[in-house]
Amino acid sequence: DAGVIQSPRHEVTEMGQEVTLRCKPISGHDYLFWYRQTMMRGLELLIYFNNNVPIDDSGMPEDRFSAKMPNASFSTLKIQPSEPRDSAVYFCASSLQAGFKDGYTFGSGTRLTVV
Amino acid sequence: SQQGEEDPQALSIQEGENATMNCSYKTSINNLQWYRQNSGRGLVHLILIRSNEREKHSGRLRVTLDTSKKSSSLLITASRAADTASYFCATASSSNTGKLIFGQGTTLQVKP
Repeated sequence: DAGVIQSPRHEVTEMGQEVTLRCKPISGHDYLFWYRQTMMRGLELLIYFNNNVPIDDSGMPEDRFSAKMPNASFSTLKIQPSEPRDSAVYFCASSLQAGFKDGYTFGSGTRLTVV
Repeated sequence: SQQGEEDPQALSIQEGENATMNCSYKTSINNLQWYRQNSGRGLVHLILIRSNEREKHSGRLRVTLDTSKKSSSLLITASRAADTASYFCATASSSNTGKLIFGQGTTLQVKP
């Protein structure tokens, strides 16, 4: 298995532009998580899905952020419009049984820089 | 908000020494997990310990859990330069939401 695949690896965009981050989870994993990592705030859970359905989006910072999972093999995190404070590394992770019984497999992350 | 608080924030040791990192948390948990993150990479799951377990081993890793003190420790024995990384604890709430909340991490440097 190729693991959790995220794209792009790096994204530099101008303030106000739309940014779309993509994730392909491990086949057969029912749970998908989006995290954001910054020096100041550490790892923050933004949203997670179970069987393609959003379960908890309480970590999504504001309406500028949206996430979708149209099928079991693909998810997107969209920021529109982007702001400099959105600069961070965004991680996608997937899991067979969520945090109940097993660990997460993380992707390599997307480093987003908004200038 | 972060559930876990790790201590120390940074640790520097010589190769061959043991490294101990601590994690404290606030709420009741289903399990606690430890992850490693190499610079510029994603997190890698190391070990999971359930709330009814007190100690667990995996290779050179030893994890303890004290639910009465709401704390855990990760011991890496006979450290190697390749162990240089950040280590995070993560807690799964006993309310079974399925999500993990991560601590701020301990940065470990192992000098050759």
